[in-house]
Amino acid sequence: RKEVEQDPGPFNVPEGATVAFNCTYSNSASQSFFWYRQDCRKEPKLLMSVYSSGNEDGRFTAQLNRASQYISLLIRDSKLSDSATYLCVVETGGGNKLTFGTGTQLKVEL
Amino acid sequence: EPEVTQTPSHQVTQMGQEVILRCVPISNHLYFYWYRQILGQKVEFLVSFYNNEISEKSEIFDDQFSVERPDGSNFTLKIRSTKLEDSAMYFCASSASTGHSTDTQYFGPGTRLTVL
Repeated sequence: RKEVEQDPGPFNVPEGATVAFNCTYSNSASQSFFWYRQDCRKEPKLLMSVYSSGNEDGRFTAQLNRASQYISLLIRDSKLSDSATYLCVVETGGGNKLTFGTGTQLKVEL
Repeated sequence: EPEVTQTPSHQVTQMGQEVILRCVPISNHLYFYWYRQILGQKVEFLVSFYNNEISEKSEIFDDQFSVERPDGSNFTLKIRSTKLEDSAMYFCASSASTGHSTDTQYFGPGTRLTVL
């Protein structure tokens, strides 16, 4: 089983749509969870941390289910500028090692 | 806003040559990292560095790789004898974490290494 697994997509959605991405992780000892965004040939940038209680930042909502080892990201009212690859990231170990999923590609269209 | 910087942006080298990739982490950060991303693949952890020591390293980080913080600002990754499969984007990252809780890792823009 992959350490962090995501559907690679692409997800092609119209502007204004709501889209959801899911991710599963294999290491139950994982301590922290994130969604990063990566534009083509650029560095990963933190979108949001993910907490068990769920958290929201504007149009973005993230959820964590530790029992199922499952993380989700919901994007409401998608914009053209949301087009990117969304990386599910899990932190495990004392050295703050981040383990990345392969990413889910989102294309928002007019 | 403070940011991680990396030089060069693109490095082309011949197989077997040594390369040094340079990074300037955010100034008050304590943890430093190197990751790599082969074209079309996921970002992979190489090494983390704290208090002038390697904290953790991956299987990729073999004897050909080394890291150093030669002064108060730079953090370098050296590949002693490059192979074709070392061609990738190398990202440096830093965080303010003291090790007890994870802090955000901020990534530099990357160095694209091409080994011919």
